Amino acid sequence: QKEVEQNSGPLSVPEGAIASLNCTYSDRGSQSFFWYRQYSGKSPELIMSIYSNGDKEDGRFTAQLNKASQYVSLLIRDSQPSDSATYLCASAMYSGGGADGLTFGKGTHLIIQP
Amino acid sequence: NAGVTQTPKFRILKIGQSMTLQCTQDMNHNYMYWYRQDPGMGLKLIYYSVGAGITDKGEVPNGYNVSRSTTEDFPLRLELAAPSQTSVYFCASSDRAGNTIYFGEGSWLTVV
Repeated sequence: QKEVEQNSGPLSVPEGAIASLNCTYSDRGSQSFFWYRQYSGKSPELIMSIYSNGDKEDGRFTAQLNKASQYVSLLIRDSQPSDSATYLCASAMYSGGGADGLTFGKGTHLIIQP
Repeated sequence: NAGVTQTPKFRILKIGQSMTLQCTQDMNHNYMYWYRQDPGMGLKLIYYSVGAGITDKGEVPNGYNVSRSTTEDFPLRLELAAPSQTSVYFCASSDRAGNTIYFGEGSWLTVV
């Protein structure tokens, strides 16, 4: 069974610091990985996607993927109070015929302290 | 700029009642999904569809049914509601397998 594991937190980070969120996945066949942000009472929204080993940067966000270690991380630089949310890690397999969506972790609750 | 639209946003059901959660998307996506999210838990896949007329079970399908008569619509039917179905339900869509999925705003369902 495919599983995505995250530390549920809460992870408390001072404003302006770097927040580091981590995720591991069980299925070596997973090909694509996603970080979603979810504010309380809202739906998940995509922050980053990553498909290849290494780093991918987008503004203050950097996603890192290590397929050998089955590890995905998200770094948030210059953390802002508005970054306080639950961050969901997800994985997917490319499957030619089927498309059974993404497998999600339970999420890490991030708190940015002013 | 609608994306994925779900109705209703909130609903209270009595045990044993039935209802349908509506979902429509205007992005011409072939792939559509229903997830449920319980407090402190991740998103669990209920059913998915890869195109009109094609549906399949996800991780937690018991107590639910779906249909996909058009590309745009993917309703979720709850038969004989039970307290265990109290949850937040998210409909989502994607243009292809393994790609980003986009969520609707969610439907909060309470069964009492």
